[in-house]
Amino acid sequence: DAGVIQSPRHEVTEMGQEVTLRCKPISGHNSLFWYRQTMMRGLELLIYFNNNVPIDDSGMPEDRFSAKMPNASFSTLKIQPSEPRDSAVYFCASSLYPTGELFFGEGSRLTVL
Amino acid sequence: AQRVTQPEKLLSVFKGAPVELKCNYSYSGSPELFWYVQYSRQRLQLLLRHISRESIKGFTADLNKGETSFHLKKPFAQEEDSAMYYCALEMGNQFYFGTGTSLTVIP
Repeated sequence: DAGVIQSPRHEVTEMGQEVTLRCKPISGHNSLFWYRQTMMRGLELLIYFNNNVPIDDSGMPEDRFSAKMPNASFSTLKIQPSEPRDSAVYFCASSLYPTGELFFGEGSRLTVL
Repeated sequence: AQRVTQPEKLLSVFKGAPVELKCNYSYSGSPELFWYVQYSRQRLQLLLRHISRESIKGFTADLNKGETSFHLKKPFAQEEDSAMYYCALEMGNQFYFGTGTSLTVIP
């Protein structure tokens, strides 16, 4: 298995534009997580899916953020409209509950100008 | 509320010296605790978990429920240990991470 696959690896966009980040979890995993990494706040949990259903989105900062998981092999995190303070590295991770180990993607580095 | 606290953002030690990365958690139940590591240009990966009670790459971590701590220790630091370390708490299949400690081992 290639592990968790995220795209794009790097995204540079202008304020106000829509950004879509994509994630393919490890096949067979039933839980998927989106995290945001910044120097100041470390790794923040944005949203968590179990069996494709959003369980907790309390970490999503604003209505500008949305996430979907239409099937077990694909998830998206969308920011619309994007703002400079959204600049961060966004990680997707998956796990097979209840074994408890998270497997991370390589991250998507977002820069909003 | 911050569930996991890592008080040191940056930590530098000399090669061969002992190293301790601090982690405190806030959880009234039975915690599941982990240390994840991110080496330069690599993805985050599991280093160790408290229920395994094993030593990985010379690192150990002991859960102290009285002090609600899960500090990561290694008796003799190596240059290849330089990395970003995150302490994580699992609550109901949700993983909460600290802000991370960047460890630099000076040759």
